[in-house]
Amino acid sequence: KAGVTQTPRYLIKTRGQQVTLSCSPISGHRSVSWYQQTPGQGLQFLFEYFSETQRNKGNFPGRFSGRQFSNSRSEMNVSTLELGDSALYLCASSLGGNYNEQFFGPGTRLTVL
Amino acid sequence: AQSVAQPEDQVNVAEGNPLTVKCTYSVSGNPYLFWYVQYPNRGLQFLLKYITGDNLVKGSYGFEAEFNKSQTSFHLKKPSALVSDSALYFCAVRDMEITNFGNEKLTFGTGTRLTIIP
Repeated sequence: KAGVTQTPRYLIKTRGQQVTLSCSPISGHRSVSWYQQTPGQGLQFLFEYFSETQRNKGNFPGRFSGRQFSNSRSEMNVSTLELGDSALYLCASSLGGNYNEQFFGPGTRLTVL
Repeated sequence: AQSVAQPEDQVNVAEGNPLTVKCTYSVSGNPYLFWYVQYPNRGLQFLLKYITGDNLVKGSYGFEAEFNKSQTSFHLKKPSALVSDSALYFCAVRDMEITNFGNEKLTFGTGTRLTIIP
């Protein structure tokens, strides 16, 4: 089975721009979660989608948004980019349910100049 | 609120020696615990999980973890370290008390960089 894929792998943007990141989960997985990883804050939960519905949301400003499509692929969008948004954005998929582990993609490295 | 602490930023171990990476947690209900490993420029790879049952959990690549409820700890262990084990290790928790079906939010520790010295 193919793993979680994320595109693009690297992005460079300037302040004020917006960006869209894409995640394709493992086949059959219906839950997709997004995390931000930075040296200062570590790994922080952004949000989770299941069957096209956002079920959980972390403590991030409204500039961070996401969606999930009927094929379980997910996108996250960051508008009005700030320097502090520079991070590795990780997507994880799982079957859903209480006892299933998440499988992570390689991440998208976003640099905001 | 759930939280995880990894008290050591860096752990150095000689190749062939046993290794331990420490993790303590705090949840209001029963914990659901994970260990992940991250290699440079890669995402996180799942190592093992504890849901319930035996306190000693076996995982990938010869790793195991010991759950201790009284000490609220979930330390990662391996009997004999390999140079290839050098990586960044993360402990994570999900609070089952507030978990409904498919609540996927994981809270991660700050990570421990493990270096195996040849």
